Amino acid sequence: EADIYQTPRYLVIGTGKKITLECSQTMGHDKMYWYQQDPGMELHLIHYSYGVNSTEKGDLSSESTVSRIRTEHFPLTLESARPSHTSQYLCASSEGLVLLDEQFFGPGTRLTVL
Amino acid sequence: DQQVKQNSPSLSVQEGRISILNCDYTNSMFDYFLWYKKYPAEGPTFLISISSIKDKNEDGRFTVFLNKSAKHLSLHIVPSQPGDSAVYFCAASSTRAGNQFYFGTGTSLTVIP
Repeated sequence: EADIYQTPRYLVIGTGKKITLECSQTMGHDKMYWYQQDPGMELHLIHYSYGVNSTEKGDLSSESTVSRIRTEHFPLTLESARPSHTSQYLCASSEGLVLLDEQFFGPGTRLTVL
Repeated sequence: DQQVKQNSPSLSVQEGRISILNCDYTNSMFDYFLWYKKYPAEGPTFLISISSIKDKNEDGRFTVFLNKSAKHLSLHIVPSQPGDSAVYFCAASSTRAGNQFYFGTGTSLTVIP
């Protein structure tokens, strides 16, 4: 069973607030990912990491930032939340050689910005 | 512009029958494909994958077929069970083009007991 956790599961916050979405995995995977998904739409990769001190932007432009100081931790930060950031955010990790090897997903954080 | 398309947003199938979920892609550089299953309030879970060197991969009740000339893949579930009711996403990647990968919009499968 995959061990990847996301907190909070749900977050409702006002415009302009700084937020950090947490993601942790206990599988020792080098690769980690953040996706954004709106209802009925595809998952869009917004950030990924090959390992500690590695961060890359995905195919969907995002105003969020990420950091990877520890293998198990890959937090996503929004400096100033806006209603357009309302979405579901999914974190994932994998151990394969290629990025699209089997990924293990967390349960997601549903963010609502008022 | 969507590079991976799942044109059927939903599908209903009777228990015990075959479920066929379809996925089309536009980029001929894609060479690795996966299917994920997602239950409500949970993250997607990996189901089955296929490399472009194969045209079929089977795992228990799940079989994925790849038709490279048509840029089409399908997931067959036989026999379908009520527990298979979920949203199914296909994903495609190009290992030759900078490790890009894309997900489809998903098909919601309902298996009727």
